[in-house]
Amino acid sequence: DTEVTQTPKHLVMGMTNKKSLKCEQHMGHRAMYWYKQKAKKPPELMFVYSYEKLSINESVPSRFSPECPNSSLLNLHLHALQPEDSALYLCASSQVFSHSGKLFFGSGTQLSVL
Amino acid sequence: GQQLNQSPQSMFIQEGEDVSMNCTSSSIFNTWLWYKQDPGEGPVLLIALYKAGELTSNGRLTAQFGITRKDSFLNISASIPSDVGIYFCAGLTGFNKFYFGSGTKLNVKP
Repeated sequence: DTEVTQTPKHLVMGMTNKKSLKCEQHMGHRAMYWYKQKAKKPPELMFVYSYEKLSINESVPSRFSPECPNSSLLNLHLHALQPEDSALYLCASSQVFSHSGKLFFGSGTQLSVL
Repeated sequence: GQQLNQSPQSMFIQEGEDVSMNCTSSSIFNTWLWYKQDPGEGPVLLIALYKAGELTSNGRLTAQFGITRKDSFLNISASIPSDVGIYFCAGLTGFNKFYFGSGTKLNVKP
């Protein structure tokens, strides 16, 4: 099983709303990631959790707040977003490693901020 | 951050033709990954490469890890309409940080 499950598939929110994106994997991976992807662009790294601790934050604005409740779950809490935050948000997971490995993506949440 | 140069940016080919694309970097990578992405979906892992010079196949796809460790190549043989999509390379330097190429958009005419 190489599945990473993301919910919801689509989300429309206003700039004053609070919402959360959810991600789950059961591959025993101890590294989980959030990426943001604009149309026709490559995924951009936002956050990395290793062993449920935040290990990389790519200077993401505080209106995005990640959370890793356990080794299988990853959330991204959204608050006071801007229209330019509209994008495909991808969750990914992998083993924790330093030099080799595979990164598996979920199908993404298409977010529209009005 | 790291820059991965992926080329070509887009390709228009006839069904049955072979396709080649590549990624180059100014830095050494320890892992190269190749992904295919359909619109509105997440990238799907096609091939993973771990050693310089390694040649790996997955059906009609063949990828190589360059000898210098600064480049990688993906070939698709006998293309079919379902090969349409955007192909990304990704390189890993260390400690769970992957860098992505800008993508190659493949169009296949039946």
